[in-house]
Amino acid sequence: DTAVSQTPKYLVTQMGNDKSIKCEQNLGHDTMYWYKQDSKKFLKIMFSYNNKELIINETVPNRFSPKSPDKAHLNLHINSLELGDSAVYFCASSHPRDHGNTQYFGPGTRLTVL
Amino acid sequence: GNSVTQMEGPVTLSEEAFLTINCTYTATGYPSLFWYVQYPGEGLQLLLKATKADDKGSNKGFEATYRKETTSFHLEKGSVQVSDSAVYFCALSGGSEKLVFGKGTKLTVNP
Repeated sequence: DTAVSQTPKYLVTQMGNDKSIKCEQNLGHDTMYWYKQDSKKFLKIMFSYNNKELIINETVPNRFSPKSPDKAHLNLHINSLELGDSAVYFCASSHPRDHGNTQYFGPGTRLTVL
Repeated sequence: GNSVTQMEGPVTLSEEAFLTINCTYTATGYPSLFWYVQYPGEGLQLLLKATKADDKGSNKGFEATYRKETTSFHLEKGSVQVSDSAVYFCALSGGSEKLVFGKGTKLTVNP
């Protein structure tokens, strides 16, 4: 009965590789997000999709490509991984008309680039 | 643009002490305000929220009141427990739907 789930939980890879992180929500929400948490715990929005349509892209390098096959899924594909991509990536979802856009977060994916 | 400023800590308290974590914001219009908590090694959990001025959010003994006149949403708890040790994030949601977070405050509660 997990609300927002992400896979994998941990991802260790070499520089230059391509990797994907998957996110699924079973809350029936219209909007999904990707956030990045850096080593100092700072959280910043990367992307937002509403009903499979991109609505927020916060100056993220184009090596990062989100893909939303349906409104319950938002995957993040990263090309040519760099050391600076090491971080924890959180997926979230919300229904914008619900209680001030309350967002529910997944457990996070810790990406380590060697 | 919208922004959130919170005391960075770390904050170290003894069990049963009173907790305040300050949070102020800058926003146009009438944002919704949130506190999220991140326990060690875990994801973000919504702790409480307030969607309009003078609303008080509360959960698990924590409280915060949306003060428009001082643009603040300070988190308080009367008696902290060891299990409250975590990182606390203040956040706001304005018209663009994204959440803007403060930098987080690490709380350690000692027995």
